[in-house]
Amino acid sequence: AQSVTQLDSQVPVFEEAPVELRCNYSSSVSVYLFWYVQYPNQGLQLLLKYLSGSTLVESINGFEAEFNKSQTSFHLRKPSVHISDTAEYFCAVSETTDSWGKLQFGAGTQVVVTP
Amino acid sequence: GAGVSQSPSNKVTEKGKDVELRCDPISGHTALYWYRQSLGQGLEFLIYFQGNSAPDKSGLPSDRFSAERTGGSVSTLTIQRTQQEDSAVYLCASSGARVQYFGPGTRLTVT
Repeated sequence: AQSVTQLDSQVPVFEEAPVELRCNYSSSVSVYLFWYVQYPNQGLQLLLKYLSGSTLVESINGFEAEFNKSQTSFHLRKPSVHISDTAEYFCAVSETTDSWGKLQFGAGTQVVVTP
Repeated sequence: GAGVSQSPSNKVTEKGKDVELRCDPISGHTALYWYRQSLGQGLEFLIYFQGNSAPDKSGLPSDRFSAERTGGSVSTLTIQRTQQEDSAVYLCASSGARVQYFGPGTRLTVT
């Protein structure tokens, strides 16, 4: 069975400062990896994904994440945050052997950006 | 194109009543998932439909929960004899190829 650990439940950060959200997973097989963002009172929006290929993936709004197989990690980074990045961020994995593609989510990290 | 839609957006019900939650997936997506998001349990998988295959019900918390998917499209999640611990946001997602896209959710409050 797989599991996902997000090490920080809340991350306060000043506007224009960098932020890193940590995600580690455990699985006996290879995985697909995802980051979702949830703005207040909204559903989950896909931020970025790793399915195969380059281990560094980027989103259109400046976030990036790097898949590190040896450390079983998929940390999310942004070099300069905006107030609008205030949201909850969820890391999720699905096992490549699971044809159903069920997602296992981490507990989430609440990012609060202040001026 | 249109995303995943869910209705109602909010539902308040009395303990012991039955509720039905609806999900309209993205057109053409063959896979449909239900998840539950609650303060104590985070995001939990409930049930999964893929084409005409039998659904994966392994995440349903009790036999009070059931779901169906008609015509390979719309899905309904039914909770019978609701309990206060059923209060949560119920999220639906659909997928065409490994990537799941979520609806806005239905917030269920059991009083």
